[in-house]
Amino acid sequence: GQNIDQPTEMTATEGAIVQINCTYQTSGFNGLFWYQQHAGEAPTFLSYNVLDGLEEKGRFSSFLSRSKGYSYLLLKELQMKDSASYLCAVRGAGSYQLTFGKGTKLSVIP
Amino acid sequence: DAGITQSPRHKVTETGTPVTLRCHQTENHRYMYWYRQDPGHGLRLIHYSYGVKDTDKGEVSDGYSVSRSKTEDFLLTLESATSSQTSVYFCAISESLSEAFFGQGTRLTVV
Repeated sequence: GQNIDQPTEMTATEGAIVQINCTYQTSGFNGLFWYQQHAGEAPTFLSYNVLDGLEEKGRFSSFLSRSKGYSYLLLKELQMKDSASYLCAVRGAGSYQLTFGKGTKLSVIP
Repeated sequence: DAGITQSPRHKVTETGTPVTLRCHQTENHRYMYWYRQDPGHGLRLIHYSYGVKDTDKGEVSDGYSVSRSKTEDFLLTLESATSSQTSVYFCAISESLSEAFFGQGTRLTVV
């Protein structure tokens, strides 16, 4: 089975940096995903990590440590439009399935 | 954006009636998935498909069935809808194991 934990809610200030953590326990591992979901909308793909280290994409970066079962999503230069839920998901070894955490609701305040 | 269309987008149905939700893709992706999303639970996998007529159960498959007779269409059927199946349903597609794209969702209310 798989267990994925992430904080329920976070608040950060416009222009700041925020780090959203995700820890996971899985029976196998074949990649970790981050998605953004605005209220009432579909999740949109942000990043995929399968090897240890940092992947950077513009203002967003994602880090993975497989030995620690740990990932984070880093958002820089926060904008009001970044207010959304951020979903961490893991794909198990030899699996087609993604297992999602419950999501972190990020509120960006002026 | 990946070409995924879910229909209907909204539906209200009565307890005990059958309901079919459709997911249609224009990307020719091999893998298709049905998830439901509920407050406090996040996204949970119902069923998935890894090819035409190849499907398997996910975490919360009880009360649901699926069919995939063509690459582009993946149908989710609630044989006899119950109030516990009130939810937002998302279809997702992927071709590789390093990505998955979601449709806009179907909001189903069972009264």
